[in-house]
Amino acid sequence: NAGVTQTPKFRVLKTGQSMTLLCAQDMNHEYMYWYRQDPGMGLRLIHYSVGEGTTAKGEVPDGYNVSRLKKQNFLLGLESAAPSQTSVYFCASSYSIDYPYEQYFGPGTRLTVT
Amino acid sequence: QQQVKQSPQSLIVQKGGISIINCAYENTAFDYFPWYQQFPGKGPALLIAIRPDVSEKKEGRFTISFNKSAKQFSLHIMDSQPGDSATYFCAALRGTGANSKLTFGKGITLSVRP
Repeated sequence: NAGVTQTPKFRVLKTGQSMTLLCAQDMNHEYMYWYRQDPGMGLRLIHYSVGEGTTAKGEVPDGYNVSRLKKQNFLLGLESAAPSQTSVYFCASSYSIDYPYEQYFGPGTRLTVT
Repeated sequence: QQQVKQSPQSLIVQKGGISIINCAYENTAFDYFPWYQQFPGKGPALLIAIRPDVSEKKEGRFTISFNKSAKQFSLHIMDSQPGDSATYFCAALRGTGANSKLTFGKGITLSVRP
């Protein structure tokens, strides 16, 4: 099993450009999450999904949109990138409703917005 | 308002020594406390977790100590090895199922010198 994979690994955008980050998991997990990690800030939840076709806002959702059309995929979109969105983005998934802290993380996408 | 606070911000330990990382929380609604380990260029990975009705949990060289009255918990790494050099995040979970929310600390960088 590949676990959680993220595409792309690195990306540089100019302010105002748009892009989509793709997360895929092959563990049949129900829950999926998008986090951003910034120096000295830890991990902050952007959006999450508790199942196919459902999404919900996390701690820092502004400027991002998500979609979960298929159970195994969770997409994170930036419609108009801003320098403040320069960060490392992690996708995660978890199987059990009873143990949502058991999250499996992808390798991350390093995004730079100039 | 930071709900989960880690200390120290960074830690340097000699090989064979004990690494101790502390976390404090404010919200008494938290009911599960995991620790995540992150190596450079990788996503975080669940290391060990504890429930508030348990004062200590040990898995190999890693031990969590929990003090409910003080709202503090700590990670002890016995016989620290250079391979333990990583960033460590404490976290706290509240709620259940789709309403569960995992809050991360800012993380601390541990360096184990040979």
